[in-house]
Amino acid sequence: ETGVTQTPRHLVMGMTNKKSLKCEQHLGHNAMYWYKQSAKKPLELMFVYSLEERVENNSVPSRFSPECPNSSHLFLHLHTLQPEDSALYLCASSRNPGTSYEQYFGPGTRLTVT
Amino acid sequence: AQSVTQPDIHITVSEGASLELRCNYSYGATPYLFWYVQSPGQGLQLLLKYFSGDTLVQGIKGFEAEFKRSQSSFNLRKPSVHWSDAAEYFCAVGAETTDSWGKLQFGAGTQVVVTP
Repeated sequence: ETGVTQTPRHLVMGMTNKKSLKCEQHLGHNAMYWYKQSAKKPLELMFVYSLEERVENNSVPSRFSPECPNSSHLFLHLHTLQPEDSALYLCASSRNPGTSYEQYFGPGTRLTVT
Repeated sequence: AQSVTQPDIHITVSEGASLELRCNYSYGATPYLFWYVQSPGQGLQLLLKYFSGDTLVQGIKGFEAEFKRSQSSFNLRKPSVHWSDAAEYFCAVGAETTDSWGKLQFGAGTQVVVTP
């Protein structure tokens, strides 16, 4: 599936670094999502954007800062992360927000915090 | 509270044999149900979905799933497994409410290993 792309695919960062994850969808969708996938845990929804407006924030620590400049692009800015933040970060999009619309996922960014 | 349970963490199946993955949910509203597959190093790919109507749903790659309201289940099946079906499978549940905003509840996943 090349409809949703994510860069970088792998990222190693120290706890004092600042980095950003990028997601781009080529499907003409209006909603975009960030998920965190940790080993042995269910997928966790972090943020939902609808038409560039954040509509959901699942009590995510402030060291994660999302940005949605337009309906095709979504960023996740990272700063002063902790080792427990190491995970696969998945971006997804759907035609509109709401669970009646299936979500299309990108390949993810494997983040390691050292 | 809503929840999704995939009772089997790991399943090993021989190539050519049938496969059934279990999914049970607890949801107050009429659920929307999905099965996704994740191959190593990849994102999640939608296999099939159930919203309403016929309770037997056909998906891609030869998979099907059956919604059983009385058992709160949505089990995934494939009659004959191929080596390429080795992956992790996720069941997800959502409901159409004013504040759902596409919030899907995912199960913990079932890892499928296919042996020759």
